[in-house]
Amino acid sequence: DAKTTQPTSMDCAEGRAANLPCNHSTISGNEYVYWYRQIHSQGPQYIIHGLKNNETNEMASLIITEDRKSSTLILPHATLRDTAVYYCFFTGNTDKLIFGTGTRLQVFP
Amino acid sequence: DTAVSQTPKYLVTQMGNDKSIKCEQNLGHDTMYWYKQDSKKFLKIMFSYNNKELIINETVPNRFSPKSPDKAHLNLHINSLELGDSAVYFCASSPLIRTGYTFGSGTRLTVV
Repeated sequence: DAKTTQPTSMDCAEGRAANLPCNHSTISGNEYVYWYRQIHSQGPQYIIHGLKNNETNEMASLIITEDRKSSTLILPHATLRDTAVYYCFFTGNTDKLIFGTGTRLQVFP
Repeated sequence: DTAVSQTPKYLVTQMGNDKSIKCEQNLGHDTMYWYKQDSKKFLKIMFSYNNKELIINETVPNRFSPKSPDKAHLNLHINSLELGDSAVYFCASSPLIRTGYTFGSGTRLTVV
């Protein structure tokens, strides 16, 4: 099973950028990095994914290092509604998502 | 309209009973999944169906039986419920080109 390493928890002030790191040193060339989040009592929500180039969408930006062994999810202006558990993982041709323990992000006023 | 809908949202039942959870998606996706989230918040895949055919069957007791009458529906039937089956069960779907999975809001199953 694919393994990633994320900090257990992080805090961020409202309006500031939240930078969530993830190590995925065993990622192989055809595997994508995915980020999801789970807000309390809801189903996981897709945020963003990427292969090797940096990606940006309406929710977040994804910065992948050149060696692809780590990535950072950036929420540019965190709000209280961004308080959630953020999951990073990688997957290639297998058709299943393997969730780890994630990072519990607490956004405070 | 809800993209992936599960029913019921809450289910409380006694040990030994048989129960079903239903899932429907209106996204036109080809693949549907069942995930289980236990009390420690670990999310694990249970089953995956592609266009009504089973493609992933993780190590799950055979008391759990998924059924897909068509590609928009994936139901989960559980026989002889046990205390350890208490968890939140999430249904999800994805298109063939894997741009992102859409999850339902979950079914909280409590076995007493």
